[in-house]
Amino acid sequence: AQSVAQPEDQVNVAEGNPLTVKCTYSVSGNPYLFWYVQYPNRGLQFLLKYITGDNLVKGSYGFEAEFNKSQTSFHLKKPSALVSDSALYFCAVRAHGSSNTGKLIFGQGTTLQVKP
Amino acid sequence: GAVVSQHPSWVICKSGTSVKIECRSLDFQATTMFWYRQFPKQSLMLMATSNEGSKATYEQGVEKDKFLINHASLTLSTLTVTSAHPEDSSFYICSASWASGGYNEQFFGPGTRLTVL
Repeated sequence: AQSVAQPEDQVNVAEGNPLTVKCTYSVSGNPYLFWYVQYPNRGLQFLLKYITGDNLVKGSYGFEAEFNKSQTSFHLKKPSALVSDSALYFCAVRAHGSSNTGKLIFGQGTTLQVKP
Repeated sequence: GAVVSQHPSWVICKSGTSVKIECRSLDFQATTMFWYRQFPKQSLMLMATSNEGSKATYEQGVEKDKFLINHASLTLSTLTVTSAHPEDSSFYICSASWASGGYNEQFFGPGTRLTVL
């Protein structure tokens, strides 16, 4: 079965420090991986994606993620956290299979709390 | 580009009434639209996938007669919650996609908060 796991419900980090939000996946074939951010009472905003190519993907707002095939991981990172980065983060993988028409499988979400 | 809107952004209704939520792709033609439901501080639960001009495909456990989805054009999909009850209160999010480079990238609407009294 295809799945995405975000092992941490919440990540706390001090402003200015580096942050990592973890994501591991299980999918048949080559994965298409995504990170989204959600602010309270808002929809999801796209941060970045990995389809193919360089394992280090750079995205919006200074975020980046590293695809690690051997560890089946796609952790989200930022060198220096901002208080405004505090939000709910979702990792997602595109489901494979002809009947899935691009359906995304989401992790359970990780709340990032950046303290001043 | 790739902007998706939802209307209304919030709605309060009485139990037993029906509520329609619109999802529009503003600057692209969406071959596929998705409807999700999200409970507080939880992940998104996919309810159904709809392709323009065809019937929606519902996920297991989602009542198709309860949640009516219409995807009449390449820029508009609607979700109608029929005979709404308090347990239908939730945050409903749509997304839209088109085939891009061999994969379907989804763009999300801002969500609709439904409260059923």
